[in-house]
Amino acid sequence: DQQVKQNSPSLSVQEGRISILNCDYTNSMFDYFLWYKKYPAEGPTFLISISSIKDKNEDGRFTVFLNKSAKHLSLHIVPSQPGDSAVYFCAASAESGNTGKLIFGQGTTLQVKP
Amino acid sequence: ETGVTQSPTHLIKTRGQQVTLRCSSQSGHNTVSWYQQALGQGPQFIFQYYREEENGRGNFPPRFSGLQFPNYSSELNVNALELDDSALYLCASSLAGGNTEAFFGQGTRLTVV
Repeated sequence: DQQVKQNSPSLSVQEGRISILNCDYTNSMFDYFLWYKKYPAEGPTFLISISSIKDKNEDGRFTVFLNKSAKHLSLHIVPSQPGDSAVYFCAASAESGNTGKLIFGQGTTLQVKP
Repeated sequence: ETGVTQSPTHLIKTRGQQVTLRCSSQSGHNTVSWYQQALGQGPQFIFQYYREEENGRGNFPPRFSGLQFPNYSSELNVNALELDDSALYLCASSLAGGNTEAFFGQGTRLTVV
């Protein structure tokens, strides 16, 4: 029973273009969502988060959009850079304030080509 | 770079053995969570420790157990190792009630043969 799903295992984009990573969830109790980036041989690194009371959060080149009615969120990276090439995980929490107890998606491998 | 450190980085054990993995949390964080990441999958929540008590557990059998110490560091113990326990084990530290992100360590790669 996958409560958080990232249906695209991989994504390839050209440097300078937009990368859009998608995530769907099934549990309506989720109230906080996060995106993590992971390089090989490293732990996940926090990128950006969004509370369920918002529909958009922006931080530099990264923007996360939340559509609660569709139970869908997306991460936009503009412009994409080769250093963004990594595995991206969407994660959700059902305990507001407890960001250590997360349900993760399977991950999407992003490749940004120079 | 986070202040969460895990040891050892790699480990090979034989089926049936027991293993202990260690985690030092980020300064100022009082909560430690453990995750198992199988190859090609996302991290799966094992359990969380807060104030030295277990504070929630995922779908893992009792042979997965843990401890948190007064300095907030933590151990993950796995008894009667099975081949399917081969995975990357991640520790994450966070501040309870802070609604701030959890910081992950680099993980321990456990191989069971």
